[in-house]
Amino acid sequence: DQQVKQNSPSLSVQEGRISILNCDYTNSMFDYFLWYKKYPAEGPTFLISISSIKDKNEDGRFTVFLNKSAKHLSLHIVPSQPGDSAVYFCAAGGTSYGKLTFGQGTILTVHP
Amino acid sequence: EAQVTQNPRYLITVTGKKLTVTCSQNMNHEYMSWYRQDPGLGLRQIYYSMNVEVTDKGDVPEGYKVSRKEKRNFPLILESPSPNQTSLYFCASSPGNGYTEAFFGQGTRLTVV
Repeated sequence: DQQVKQNSPSLSVQEGRISILNCDYTNSMFDYFLWYKKYPAEGPTFLISISSIKDKNEDGRFTVFLNKSAKHLSLHIVPSQPGDSAVYFCAAGGTSYGKLTFGQGTILTVHP
Repeated sequence: EAQVTQNPRYLITVTGKKLTVTCSQNMNHEYMSWYRQDPGLGLRQIYYSMNVEVTDKGDVPEGYKVSRKEKRNFPLILESPSPNQTSLYFCASSPGNGYTEAFFGQGTRLTVV
């Protein structure tokens, strides 16, 4: 039972444009959400997070939006750069859940 | 430098031959965990540990064992590896209860033939 889903296996974007990566979840116990970025031959690295008490969190070019009623979060990257090309994982957890559950990942390719 | 170190990075072994993948962190984190990454399935948690001598099953624990005798180390043990355990494995550590930012090792690519 996949509690965190990333339905787009891949996304291709032109340099300078916006990249939007999407993630859906089913477990109402989740109250903390994160995005990780992974380059080949490296471990995932933390990118940005959001608590369920907020609906938006911004860090430079990266913004995460949370829609609790729809159980949906998205990561916006503006402007996209070729160095952003990587696999992006969303993850969800909670104070009463004790662990992170990850989505399947989305491969982002940013073309120069 | 804060880091999670896994060894080995690559391993090819035969079915049934016991192996251990080591994991060590230098951030004094209470929470450590192991994940496997498979195509189309993302990262799935195998086992986690909330502190020394406290471990629990994740989502896919069958065929694996762990131990946490020291805070910094969290080895993953495959007593009798099988081909369906061929995967990319990651160790991670995090402060607090494990649902916040996790720091990952560089991964261990395991092939069981």
